Amino acid sequence: NAGVTQTPKFQVLKTGQSMTLQCAQDMNHEYMSWYRQDPGMGLRLIHYSVGAGITDQGEVPNGYNVSRSTTEDFPLRLLSAAPSQTSVYFCASSTINTGELFFGEGSRLTVL
Amino acid sequence: QQQVKQSPQSLIVQKGGISIINCAYENTAFDYFPWYQQFPGKGPALLIAIRPDVSEKKEGRFTISFNKSAKQFSLHIMDSQPGDSATYFCAARVGGFKTIFGAGTRLFVKA
Repeated sequence: NAGVTQTPKFQVLKTGQSMTLQCAQDMNHEYMSWYRQDPGMGLRLIHYSVGAGITDQGEVPNGYNVSRSTTEDFPLRLLSAAPSQTSVYFCASSTINTGELFFGEGSRLTVL
Repeated sequence: QQQVKQSPQSLIVQKGGISIINCAYENTAFDYFPWYQQFPGKGPALLIAIRPDVSEKKEGRFTISFNKSAKQFSLHIMDSQPGDSATYFCAARVGGFKTIFGAGTRLFVKA
């Protein structure tokens, strides 16, 4: 099993550009989520999903869109990138009620 | 505004010493309290977790102490080793899935 796979690992964008961070899991987990990690701020929840067709906002959703068309995939879209979105992004998944979140290796995004 | 408050931000401990990291929360709906360990360039990984009906859980050198009335919980690392040097996050879960993290503690264990 590959676990949680994130692509790309590194990306540089210019202000105003759009892009999609991809996340896929092969563990048949119902729950998937996106976090951003910034120094001194820990991991902040952006958006999450409890199944195909169901998404909800986390702590810092502004500037990001998500959709969940399949159990396996949960892409994160930046419609118009801003320097404040420079961060390391992590995708995580779990079964519901079992607790353990499985994380991907992260995607480092720089917005110039 | 952090729903889970973690301290200290950084910690330096001598090899063989005890590392202690503290967390506090306000939301009484949280039903599961995990700790995650993260090494540079990697995603966080579950270290140990506790449910609120238990006051202490021990796994090897790692112990969680949980005080429900004070809404506080802490991680103790006994006999700390240089290989324990990492960033540690406390977290709290609500609704069976939504997990909120603390700001993290960077631990450095001196050899």
